[in-house]
Amino acid sequence: GEDVEQSLFLSVREGDSSVINCTYTDSSSTYLYWYKQEPGAGLQLLTYIFSNMDMKQDQRLTVLLNKKDKHLSLRIADTQTGDSAIYFCAETPDSWGKLQFGAGTQVVVTP
Amino acid sequence: DAGVIQSPRHEVTEMGQEVTLRCKPISGHNSLFWYRQTMMRGLELLIYFNNNVPIDDSGMPEDRFSAKMPNASFSTLKIQPSEPRDSAVYFCASQLRGETQYFGPGTRLLVL
Repeated sequence: GEDVEQSLFLSVREGDSSVINCTYTDSSSTYLYWYKQEPGAGLQLLTYIFSNMDMKQDQRLTVLLNKKDKHLSLRIADTQTGDSAIYFCAETPDSWGKLQFGAGTQVVVTP
Repeated sequence: DAGVIQSPRHEVTEMGQEVTLRCKPISGHNSLFWYRQTMMRGLELLIYFNNNVPIDDSGMPEDRFSAKMPNASFSTLKIQPSEPRDSAVYFCASQLRGETQYFGPGTRLLVL
C-alpha cells in the first residue's frame, strides 16, 4: 500500500523554529494535511495544501511541498510550549477518499 | 457548530462484553470515518461511509466489529465480544466533500 513516513521525535527550544518533515509515496495525492494531537485529545486540523501548490503560509505555520520528491514539511515559527504535541502528516488522492496517516512526530518544546 | 460528538468519552469493560461507540457527525457533512489509534499500530482507518452507505470496511479487524449509519446524523461502532487487544482510542471523523476531515475527541476504550 501507499506509505507516509515521518521522523518520530523532534526537540526544539522555545522561540526557535521547528521543522517537521514527511515523505509520501502516492503520486496521485491531491490533498496533504497536517494534524496536531495534544495529549489525551483528538486530532485537530492545522493546515492543508493542494498538490498544485508549493507553499502555504498561515500565521506561524508554513507548509512546503516538493511534489517531485514527494516531500512535505511544516515549519512552526517562534515555537511555544503550547506547540508540544504529536503532529501527523496525511494524504488523500481525492476529496472523497480515506486519509493515509504517517506515524506522527512527537514535538517537545523545552524552555 | 458543536463539532463531531462522540460518546462515551471513556469506557471500561470486561472481556466478552459488548461495546457500542457512538458518533454524531457535523451537520451537513456527508462522509463519516471510524479510526482506531494504538501505540503499536498508530492511526488505522476501520471503515468509512458516504451518504450513510459503507464504502470501505477493509480496515475492520474481524467479524467482532460492526458499524452502522442509520441516518446522516448518527453512527455506531460495535464490538461483540470485546477482547483486551481492542483497547485503544476510537475516533470518529466527518467530512463534507471537497473539504477536510474533522475529528471527534475520541472514545478511550479499555477492555480488561
